[in-house]
Amino acid sequence: DQQVKQNSPSLSVQEGRISILNCDYTNSMFDYFLWYKKYPAEGPTFLISISSIKDKNEDGRFTVFLNKSAKHLSLHIVPSQPGDSAVYFCAASAEWRSQGNLIFGKGTKLSVKP
Amino acid sequence: DARVTQTPRHKVTEMGQEVTMRCQPILGHNTVFWYRQTMMQGLELLAYFRNRAPLDDSGMPKDRFSAEMPDATLATLKIQPSEPRDSAVYFCASGQGSVGQPQHFGDGTRLSIL
Repeated sequence: DQQVKQNSPSLSVQEGRISILNCDYTNSMFDYFLWYKKYPAEGPTFLISISSIKDKNEDGRFTVFLNKSAKHLSLHIVPSQPGDSAVYFCAASAEWRSQGNLIFGKGTKLSVKP
Repeated sequence: DARVTQTPRHKVTEMGQEVTMRCQPILGHNTVFWYRQTMMQGLELLAYFRNRAPLDDSGMPKDRFSAEMPDATLATLKIQPSEPRDSAVYFCASGQGSVGQPQHFGDGTRLSIL
């Protein structure tokens, strides 16, 4: 029973174009969402987050959109760069779990081609 | 930048042997998490601690796995006896333990059980 789903295992994009990574969740108790980026042989690193009281959060080339009614969020990278090639994990947290526990999706491998 | 440190980075051992993985969380972080990453399951939470007290270890096979925090600067994850199905990358993460605060991950221990 996966509560956080990333249905695309991989995505290939041309350098300079937009990358859109998608994530769906099933638990309506989730109220905070995070994206992590992971390079091979390294641990995941925090990228950007969004609270359920917002529908958009932007940080430089990265924007996360949240659609609560659809239980869907997406990460947009514009413009995409070869250095963005990595595995991207979506994660969710529920307020009642005040310890900060996260539920992760299985990841989407992004390849940005020069 | 402060980092979570995990040792060893790689471990190869034979089935039945005891395995101990260590983690030094970021100074000042009061929550420590152990995750396991496999191709099939993605990132699974095994156990986590707050202020050195175990909060949830429901993700961990308790007959062979044990997690402890002997002090605030050290978390350990032990497997005894180890089995080939335990082969995976084990990540430790630390955080401030409140909703929305990103967890910071170490670079993992790649474990191979022959």
